[in-house]
Order: sequence, then C-alpha cells, then structure tokens
Amino acid sequence: AQSVTQPDIHITVSEGASLELRCNYSYGATPYLFWYVQSPGQGLQLLLKYFSGDTLVQGIKGFEAEFKRSQSSFNLRKPSVHWSDAAEYFCAVDYGQNFVFGPGTRLSVLP
Amino acid sequence: GAGVSQSPRYKVAKRGQDVALRCDPISGHVSLFWYQQALGQGPEFLTYFQNEAQLDKSGLPSDRFFAERPEGSVSTLKIQRTQQEDSAVYLCASSLTDGEDYGYTFGSGTRLTVV
Repeated sequence: AQSVTQPDIHITVSEGASLELRCNYSYGATPYLFWYVQSPGQGLQLLLKYFSGDTLVQGIKGFEAEFKRSQSSFNLRKPSVHWSDAAEYFCAVDYGQNFVFGPGTRLSVLP
Repeated sequence: GAGVSQSPRYKVAKRGQDVALRCDPISGHVSLFWYQQALGQGPEFLTYFQNEAQLDKSGLPSDRFFAERPEGSVSTLKIQRTQQEDSAVYLCASSLTDGEDYGYTFGSGTRLTVV
C-alpha cells in the first residue's frame, strides 16, 4: 500500500539548533517527493521537491532534504532553526495521480 | 490570480445543512485537487480534476460529497446533509503540469465546522 510515515509527531528545538525531520515512504520505484510547511491559518507552502538527479535538494528558507533510496527516506534538515520556523511540516509523495501526505510533524522552537 | 483562492475561509453549518466550498486555482493551471484535513491529521485526498474532467473521485468519503469544475477553472466542492464528522479544513491545490513546472500550490483552505 502507498504510505508515507513521519515518525515524530512533535519536535521541540532551541532557536539556533539544527533540525532533522524524518520521512519514510513505501514504493518500489522512485516517486516524486515533497516537503511542505503549514503555518497556523495558512495554506501549505512548498519547501522543496525531488524528482531525480542530485539526491541532496536545496529548498527555500534554508531547508534541504536528502533522498536515500536504500532507506526509502527523504529527511528534511536545517542547520540553524529560527523562531519563525515553528509550524507543521508535511512530507508528501506523488504516486501518480494521487498525492499521499504524511501525518505531519509539529515543530516548536524555544527562544 | 497570484495564488489559489478559497472561499469562504470559515463556515459554520448546522447538521443536515448543505454547504458549497469554492476554489479559484491559479489561472492556466490544468490540474486541481481537493483535500480534507481533519484536526491534527495530514491532508487526505478527495478528488482530482484535469481541466473540466474529474479523473479521480475515489477519495470522496460518501455520496454526500460532490465536486465539479464545469469550465475547467473554478471548482466547487459541495457537501449535502452535513454531519459532524465532516468538520475539517478543506484544501484546494492546483498545478500547471506542463512539464516545465511542477509542484502544487495550495490555497489557505476553508475551515468547516458542523454543529
């Protein structure tokens, strides 16, 4: 079955600390992979996407993600978190005409 | 417009009432998706349009849900005889899908509360 898992429901980090949000997906071939951020009261905003090529993808707001085929993972990282990064983060996978989202990881940032 | 616009932003409906949620996609975007996001959950696929054709409606939870996009631009999601379990944020997304651009732009959603 097509599924996307984000093992961490809630993560809290201090401002300036590094961040890694985990995402794993189920599929045989390499699908298209996405990370979105949703701030309170806002729609989803695309952070970055992976289709092919370099497995390290740079996105907006200083985020990057690395595709690891052997682990079926697409983890999101940021070297130094800002207070404005507090939001809900969704990993998503395009399995064709259907988009499957993970359950989301809520990020809290301590001053 | 510059982004995907959804209206209303908030809707409170009495149980049994019919509601209509509107989505204005980015001009020229071919693909349009509707998602339902329950509180504390990730978005769940409802239905997909390519221009005016509804290619996939497998995610619609019941026959009370109906979506249309008659002219291939604006789309309306209609929910008949609303139930409390319909309370959620309904997100609309559009995509160009011409091979030169990819990725989906989401609207801010309509928060539906059924009381």
